[in-house]
Amino acid sequence: EPEVTQTPSHQVTQMGQEVILRCVPISNHLYFYWYRQILGQKVEFLVSFYNNEISEKSEIFDDQFSVERPDGSNFTLKIRSTKLEDSAMYFCASRFDSGFVNGYTFGSGTRLTVV
Amino acid sequence: RKEVEQDPGPFNVPEGATVAFNCTYSNSASQSFFWYRQDCRKEPKLLMSVYSSGNEDGRFTAQLNRASQYISLLIRDSKLSDSATYLCVVDGGSQGNLIFGKGTKLSVKP
Repeated sequence: EPEVTQTPSHQVTQMGQEVILRCVPISNHLYFYWYRQILGQKVEFLVSFYNNEISEKSEIFDDQFSVERPDGSNFTLKIRSTKLEDSAMYFCASRFDSGFVNGYTFGSGTRLTVV
Repeated sequence: RKEVEQDPGPFNVPEGATVAFNCTYSNSASQSFFWYRQDCRKEPKLLMSVYSSGNEDGRFTAQLNRASQYISLLIRDSKLSDSATYLCVVDGGSQGNLIFGKGTKLSVKP
């Protein structure tokens, strides 16, 4: 079964450092997402990406965050200057079409720890 | 602000028990509704979509009441392997983002 692949599975970084979280969506999917989940909290939407541009973003997704699909395969989330409160699980997801969401597949996540 | 509220947990039940989870959502424009399952420190996985007419998948039955903006999940004959956190999820708009509830933790004991 096709899957969304995320790397690394765990990243530890110092406060103020830049991090890039990587995702390889399912190859024929067209819509891409990043979500995060702070430990013990709910899964929260960060950003959606379609046709090489951001289609929607939440209030969490401020100027410290950016996304890119540099080569038609990878989908990355960059945090420019990490803060302690950025520590969370970050999930990438993708889906094929504009209808819903039986085709919405999550990656296994990257656990980001900011120290 | 679009929210999804769920029963506080945890639910601790014996094997074979029937357990019900409830959820309310605030966005009356939501069109798609789901139950996801999340194991500890893992990604959410789709358990089932929820349709207006109600739907069943084996031991799992989901119901939707649009007028009350209420969603439910019933698990019959619970198994040890059902132990997980159950997330109520609704769509947040045309771009396909999802709004998650905080989840209800289920622990099935022998």
